Amino acid sequence: ETGVTQSPTHLIKTRGQQVTLRCSSQSGHNTVSWYQQALGQGPQFIFQYYREEENGRGNFPPRFSGLQFPNYSSELNVNALELDDSALYLCASSIGTRAFNEQFFGPGTRLTVL
Amino acid sequence: DQQVKQNSPSLSVQEGRISILNCDYTNSMFDYFLWYKKYPAEGPTFLISISSIKDKNEDGRFTVFLNKSAKHLSLHIVPSQPGDSAVYFCAADDGTSYGKLTFGQGTILTVHP
Repeated sequence: ETGVTQSPTHLIKTRGQQVTLRCSSQSGHNTVSWYQQALGQGPQFIFQYYREEENGRGNFPPRFSGLQFPNYSSELNVNALELDDSALYLCASSIGTRAFNEQFFGPGTRLTVL
Repeated sequence: DQQVKQNSPSLSVQEGRISILNCDYTNSMFDYFLWYKKYPAEGPTFLISISSIKDKNEDGRFTVFLNKSAKHLSLHIVPSQPGDSAVYFCAADDGTSYGKLTFGQGTILTVHP
């Protein structure tokens, strides 16, 4: 059974650019959630995708957007990058949308915005 | 507004002794609590959880206690092992239909041989 994978591992962008991060969910998992983890902080919920649609969103502006594909993999897109977007971005897959459905996290993508 | 707080950034314990990690919350709507463990360069891994209708849940060396009136939960690890050294996050679910977890800042646990 393949776990959750994310690509790329590290990424450096400049302010104002756009970035796309990718996540492959664990086999059989139909739900993907994205989190942002700033240095020294806990992960913060960005949004969740279920059946290829956004199912819920945290306190993040619209320049954070996503996609989920028929194979349940997902993308996180961030437009007009700001310095504060520098963080570790984690995706988590699960069977079912509720938080008590165990979420399996990938290793994350480290984004640095200069 | 930090709804889930872990006030101890770090904890150091001797192998074989008990580790107690604490977590406080402010949102009364939270109805499910989870602990995750994170090693460097890896994603968080689920450890143990507890529903708000319970006050204790045990799984091997790990026990989580919930005190709803104090809005406080704790994770006990007995006995602690060097392999337990990691960052521990508590997280809470407010019962929405989607899987939004609210995480604390994390506590770095170091278990010395």
